[in-house]
Amino acid sequence: QKEVEQNSGPLSVPEGAIASLNCTYSDRGSQSFFWYRQYSGKSPELIMSIYSNGDKEDGRFTAQLNKASQYVSLLIRDSQPSDSATYLCAVNRRGYSTLTFGKGTMLLVSP
Amino acid sequence: DARVTQTPRHKVTEMGQEVTMRCQPILGHNTVFWYRQTMMQGLELLAYFRNRAPLDDSGMPKDRFSAEMPDATLATLKIQPSEPRDSAVYFCASGLVPPGQLSYEQYFGPGTRLTVT
Repeated sequence: QKEVEQNSGPLSVPEGAIASLNCTYSDRGSQSFFWYRQYSGKSPELIMSIYSNGDKEDGRFTAQLNKASQYVSLLIRDSQPSDSATYLCAVNRRGYSTLTFGKGTMLLVSP
Repeated sequence: DARVTQTPRHKVTEMGQEVTMRCQPILGHNTVFWYRQTMMQGLELLAYFRNRAPLDDSGMPKDRFSAEMPDATLATLKIQPSEPRDSAVYFCASGLVPPGQLSYEQYFGPGTRLTVT
């Protein structure tokens, strides 16, 4: 089982819709979770971090964490074409000071 | 606006040549990472430093890759000799680890796109 798994996509949503991106992880002791956005040809950009169970909202973005089920998700409300990018999930495993990245989900928002 | 900087942004070289990539972390950050990204493997951690000391370089091919941090404002990644399979985008990232904590945010530089022919 891969340590951090994401559906590669592409996930296609129309402009204005809610995009839901999911990530599962294998290490139950993982303690910190991050979402990065990466535009084609650019570097990953940190957009959300979440450390405890529940929801965390920042503008149009909501990160959701469920440690019991070992998944973390990112919701993007009112999706815009400028949100089209690959979204990387990263997990900090307990006892480690490094991040393990998923391979990313490509999101396409059509006008 | 604090950012991680990397040079060069693009590098094309022939197999067997030495390649050196440089990174300037965000001022005040105490942890620096080197990653490699390919379509097949995604983002892979090559090495990282805390307070300039190498903590883990198990992700690097030891025979040809080396990473150093000669001072707090400069990290280098060297490949000698380079091979076509080293073609990838190499990212540097930095973060500030508070004392007694392991979790922190990492910020990426723009990357060096390496092509080895």
